[in-house]
Amino acid sequence: GQNIDQPTEMTATEGAIVQINCTYQTSGFNGLFWYQQHAGEAPTFLSYNVLDGLEEKGRFSSFLSRSKGYSYLLLKELQMKDSASYLCAVMDSNYQLIWGAGTKLIIKP
Amino acid sequence: GAVVSQHPSRVICKSGTSVKIECRSLDFQATTMFWYRQFPKKSLMLMATSNEGSKATYEQGVEKDKFLINHASLTLSTLTVTSAHPEDSSFYICSARQTETEQFFGPGTRLTVL
Repeated sequence: GQNIDQPTEMTATEGAIVQINCTYQTSGFNGLFWYQQHAGEAPTFLSYNVLDGLEEKGRFSSFLSRSKGYSYLLLKELQMKDSASYLCAVMDSNYQLIWGAGTKLIIKP
Repeated sequence: GAVVSQHPSRVICKSGTSVKIECRSLDFQATTMFWYRQFPKKSLMLMATSNEGSKATYEQGVEKDKFLINHASLTLSTLTVTSAHPEDSSFYICSARQTETEQFFGPGTRLTVL
């Protein structure tokens, strides 16, 4: 079956760095997405990785290792507004998104 | 990125009534749109894939007679929750596919059935 695993909840301090991991097992692979979702709102796109390596975009970076079925989202210089759920999703061979359950990130002052 | 709108953003209805939710891609044409449901503190659950001009493809366990989907044009898909009951209360989110790897989400509709 298809499976996406990520931690349920993480806590970090304002100004610090946090890494959210995601492991996956899917039928085929057409890329891995990270989305941010604030409570009561729809997800917003953060990053897309289809090749191995690190993609950097401002304070956020995303890493992919296809051979390990592994990705992480790295958030630097954390701000209170970064408190949200972070969803990992993999696009399978049919170009369907398979969603992880999300990681709730709590930022403390 | 591209913009997807959803209407209404919130709806409260009585048990037994039907509710229609619209999803529109505002600045691109979407041959495929997706309807998701999300329970509190849970991830997105794909309900169905809506293809313009053809019948929707429903995920296992989703009642197609309960959740009617119509993708009438390249910019509009509608989800109708028929004979709604309190257990249908949820956050419904649509997304529209612009390319095979680009998918944009609407803002969501909060449905509360009394």
